[in-house]
Amino acid sequence: QKEVEQNSGPLSVPEGAIASLNCTYSDRGSQSFFWYRQYSGKSPELIMFIYSNGDKEDGRFTAQLNKASQYVSLLIRDSQPSDSATYLCAVNIEGYQKVTFGIGTKLQVIP
Amino acid sequence: GAVVSQHPSWVICKSGTSVKIECRSLDFQATTMFWYRQFPKQSLMLMATSNEGSKATYEQGVEKDKFLINHASLTLSTLTVTSAHPEDSSFYICSARHGGDSYEQYFGPGTRLTVT
Repeated sequence: QKEVEQNSGPLSVPEGAIASLNCTYSDRGSQSFFWYRQYSGKSPELIMFIYSNGDKEDGRFTAQLNKASQYVSLLIRDSQPSDSATYLCAVNIEGYQKVTFGIGTKLQVIP
Repeated sequence: GAVVSQHPSWVICKSGTSVKIECRSLDFQATTMFWYRQFPKQSLMLMATSNEGSKATYEQGVEKDKFLINHASLTLSTLTVTSAHPEDSSFYICSARHGGDSYEQYFGPGTRLTVT
């Protein structure tokens, strides 16, 4: 079983719609959760992090964490073509310095 | 804040030569830096974790004698690919972490290595 699972996509949404990206993790010792955006040919960029159960909002982005169900999601409201990228979920397990990345979900926002 | 630079952004070298890549945290002190490799259309692969003043911890399957990592200061880590071969051609990306209770990693722009 992979430690961090994401659907590779592509996930296609029309411009202006809400994009919902999901991630599940296997280790219950996971304590920190991150969403990175990676444009083709570029390095990842941190867009959200969440440590506690519930929702965390930052502009058009909302991260949701449910530790009991071991999933974390990212909602992008009013999706724009510039949001088209691969979104990487990353998880840090308590006591470890490194984070484990999922394979990433490719998002395509259709104008 | 949290800016990480890498140099060079791209490099072409001949098979058998060595290449050094620098990673710098520009506006914060990075207790821990990470080195990743990414092949086309594949996910990030962690190569090693380095802490300032300590030997790097390499992931399973990564040759430590081939990929030399030095983390001499809180703002600089270097990766040297020794005796590079065409199969080492890849996108090498470093990231840096503040430390303490913060686990966010901030990535450099990456270095594209082509070995001919």
